[in-house]
Amino acid sequence: DIQMTQSPSSLSVSIGDSVTITCRASQDITGYLNWYQQKPGKAPKLLIYAASRLQPGVPSRFSGRGSGTECTLTINGLQPEDIATYFCQQSFDSPPITFGQGTRLDIK
Amino acid sequence: EMQLVESGGGLADPGRSLRLSCTASGFTFADYGLNWFRQAPGKGLEWVGFIRSNTFSGTAEYAASVRDRFTISRDDAKSIAYLEMNSLQIEDTAVYYCSREDFALGYAMDVWGQGTTVIVSS
Repeated sequence: DIQMTQSPSSLSVSIGDSVTITCRASQDITGYLNWYQQKPGKAPKLLIYAASRLQPGVPSRFSGRGSGTECTLTINGLQPEDIATYFCQQSFDSPPITFGQGTRLDIK
Repeated sequence: EMQLVESGGGLADPGRSLRLSCTASGFTFADYGLNWFRQAPGKGLEWVGFIRSNTFSGTAEYAASVRDRFTISRDDAKSIAYLEMNSLQIEDTAVYYCSREDFALGYAMDVWGQGTTVIVSS
């Protein structure tokens, strides 16, 4: 199984900050990496697929990059509605589908 | 609007069974594979299982933690997927989500249900 390690696990942020979250895979996942946003009591929402492709309707302040075993999600100019937990997920080799542990953003 | 709606959650005694449903609308359900995930209180996302579209055999795969206890099936005529959960354990307590897997998006999950809560307790 491919293990996904996400960091940091939590982050205290201010509105307007730029935030970067990192996800490392236990093997090369050739860009099959997706990012989701989850707010309390809600289902996950797809933000980025294939490492860098923005899902339609997602604000352009969200961006993804990376390849090989490491990918990043960046939020430029954090907005109040971005306070949430973010998960990475590999879709290179499944089953099983595996996720990172999540990164929780909260207001500093 | 593409939508998935889960139902069937509730309270169950350990060892009992529950069947969850995932009803799709707004897209051609038969064309897609369907995943089930769960999330225990305060925890991350755990993959439960997956059923392929009938174009790709319609077979299912399961996480080791539920294999031999859970069964996923689908009824394309009704646009519904099912998660049959037998021999429920305390550790199965979670919110259960279904989601559509889109190969055009690198197998990302682009449509999710709102979740249904399963509580296993005596």
